[in-house]
Amino acid sequence: KAGVTQTPRYLIKTRGQQVTLSCSPISGHRSVSWYQQTPGQGLQFLFEYFSETQRNKGNFPGRFSGRQFSNSRSEMNVSTLELGDSALYLCASSVLTDTQYFGPGTRLTVL
Amino acid sequence: DAKTTQPTSMDCAEGRAANLPCNHSTISGNEYVYWYRQIHSQGPQYIIHGLKNNETNEMASLIITEDRKSSTLILPHATLRDTAVYYCIVRVITGNQFYFGTGTSLTVIP
Repeated sequence: KAGVTQTPRYLIKTRGQQVTLSCSPISGHRSVSWYQQTPGQGLQFLFEYFSETQRNKGNFPGRFSGRQFSNSRSEMNVSTLELGDSALYLCASSVLTDTQYFGPGTRLTVL
Repeated sequence: DAKTTQPTSMDCAEGRAANLPCNHSTISGNEYVYWYRQIHSQGPQYIIHGLKNNETNEMASLIITEDRKSSTLILPHATLRDTAVYYCIVRVITGNQFYFGTGTSLTVIP
């Protein structure tokens, strides 16, 4: 089976812009979770989607949002980018509530 | 919030067993112990998980104490490619949120 894929792998934006990141889960996986990783805060949970519904949410501002499509693919959006949003954004998929498998991540740089 | 405590860093000689400890003294009966590792700037890689019993797979062994308050990940024959940050995570059986702590940076020395 193909693993979790994330696009794009690298992205450079400027403050105030918005960005959309994409995640394709492993075939048959219905849950997609998003994480942000920064040197200062480590790996932090953003939100989880299951069957097109947000099931869990971490402690992030409303500028961070996501959605899931009927084919389980997911997107996350960050509006009004700030310098502190520079991070590695990781997507993970699982069948239900079980082992999560991570993608390679999208490296976002905000200038 | 992270519910685990791990040493910040460890070294291990190549070919020797690497034993990575994790303290999870507040673990509940319905929480699994998971281990992942992350090689620099890549996505975390699943290693192993367990609930009560010791577990072994092709990558590693997981030893969980009888009171479940701590565990040890064992890499039986460490190689240079095992150099990574290792995360110990507890997860509620019915939940899908993984709370990562700071992990242990393992360096395998030739």
